[in-house]
Amino acid sequence: DGGITQSPKYLFRKEGQNVTLSCEQNLNHDAMYWYRQDPGQGLRLIYYSQIVNDFQKGDIAEGYSVSREKKESFPLTVTSAQKNPTAFYLCASSQRGNTEAFFGQGTRLTVV
Amino acid sequence: GDSVTQMEGPVTLSEEAFLTINCTYTATGYPSLFWYVQYPGEGLQLLLKATKADDKGSNKGFEATYRKETTSFHLEKGSVQVSDSAVYFCALSDRDSGYSTLTFGKGTMLLVSP
Repeated sequence: DGGITQSPKYLFRKEGQNVTLSCEQNLNHDAMYWYRQDPGQGLRLIYYSQIVNDFQKGDIAEGYSVSREKKESFPLTVTSAQKNPTAFYLCASSQRGNTEAFFGQGTRLTVV
Repeated sequence: GDSVTQMEGPVTLSEEAFLTINCTYTATGYPSLFWYVQYPGEGLQLLLKATKADDKGSNKGFEATYRKETTSFHLEKGSVQVSDSAVYFCALSDRDSGYSTLTFGKGTMLLVSP
């Protein structure tokens, strides 16, 4: 079945450590996105990529980094510079020319 | 910039009641509009969408009409079920960009009791 796979579902890290969240899609979509969700808040865009080896900052990119070496993969690194990293992270993808986005199941990151 | 405002929750209803969740937007262009649903601990699922003025999106008994004159996209369902309990997000996408950089409302929690 086609879809978006995020792993792991739950992630715990110590303060000051970098951590990388995985996102893989087999929908053959050109574009991929990372959103952050906090309790009682909508989703906010962190980074997005429209094509391999290219990506753009979203509204809250500070403290995060991404790469897009393959069409299927768009990992997100939460760096120690991110002041409040505990959140629910959602990856999405879409086809070029189609504004409908498909979401993964999310990764809940807790920093202790 | 673009923004989406939706009614605060939680919305608490009895089974078979009528549901309305209000959503209004501000956008510079002509966005596509969406309703997404999120069940506890899960990602978002697209519920319905509309891409131009007066379009009606519908799915699983839910409906919403793209009203350009009032910049609104209210979600309605005639008879809710317990299984509809979830968080509902209204969102818009700038069609001119050709990509789904979505702007979301804060979400409205719906709780349906038997």
